[in-house]
Amino acid sequence: EVQLVESGGDLAQPGGSLRLSCVVSGFTFSAYGMAWVRQAPGKGLEWVSTISDRGATTYYADSVKGRFTISRHNSQRTLSLQMNSLRVEDTAIYYCARLQDGGFDPWGQGTLVTVSS
Amino acid sequence: QAVLTQPSSLSASPGASASLTCTLNSAFNVATYRIYWYAQKPGSPPQFLLRYKSDSDKQQGSGVPSRFSGSKNDSANAGILLLSGLQSEDEADYYCMTWHSGAWVFGGGTRLTVL
Repeated sequence: EVQLVESGGDLAQPGGSLRLSCVVSGFTFSAYGMAWVRQAPGKGLEWVSTISDRGATTYYADSVKGRFTISRHNSQRTLSLQMNSLRVEDTAIYYCARLQDGGFDPWGQGTLVTVSS
Repeated sequence: QAVLTQPSSLSASPGASASLTCTLNSAFNVATYRIYWYAQKPGSPPQFLLRYKSDSDKQQGSGVPSRFSGSKNDSANAGILLLSGLQSEDEADYYCMTWHSGAWVFGGGTRLTVL
């Protein structure tokens, strides 16, 4: 069974940092690109970042470029998102997802990030 | 103007069909885009339903019933998600997505009510 389990969500102050992790199982992690997608409370989905299967190529939404860094550790089957210079508008559930045929499937259950003073 | 636009809500009756539209910005041609569809129920992550570019380039999500299907309306420059034989459990938020100019872009979502 394919599983993606996020962790690391927490309450952070504006300007602070958090690191999210996503541990996967049930598929060959190193063969797939991976992504982070977020959803602010009561709002729609927003793509955040994507990384290629070996980590050589990364993509970022303009809203997080320069502040967030996506990475992966294939031997540990772990995807990470380092979030710096956090803003109130970064408050959201953060989902990790497998990149499959250009789309995202499946998704993890998500981890909640709250940015507030 | 947003890249993908969806109506915010839609209501339909059990057993009927519902057509959810995802309109691509008029500056671009929907015929060249793969449109992905996701469903999200309250408290759950999104679930991939299907992707559609053409009848020769489409993919159904694993376990997704065949009563969910994709198409396009070229004249409206839109992707379509058609749900037939609506059931109460089809109530959800439905999002379309595409790859555009180096980024993945979601539509704002349509809340489907079955009543």
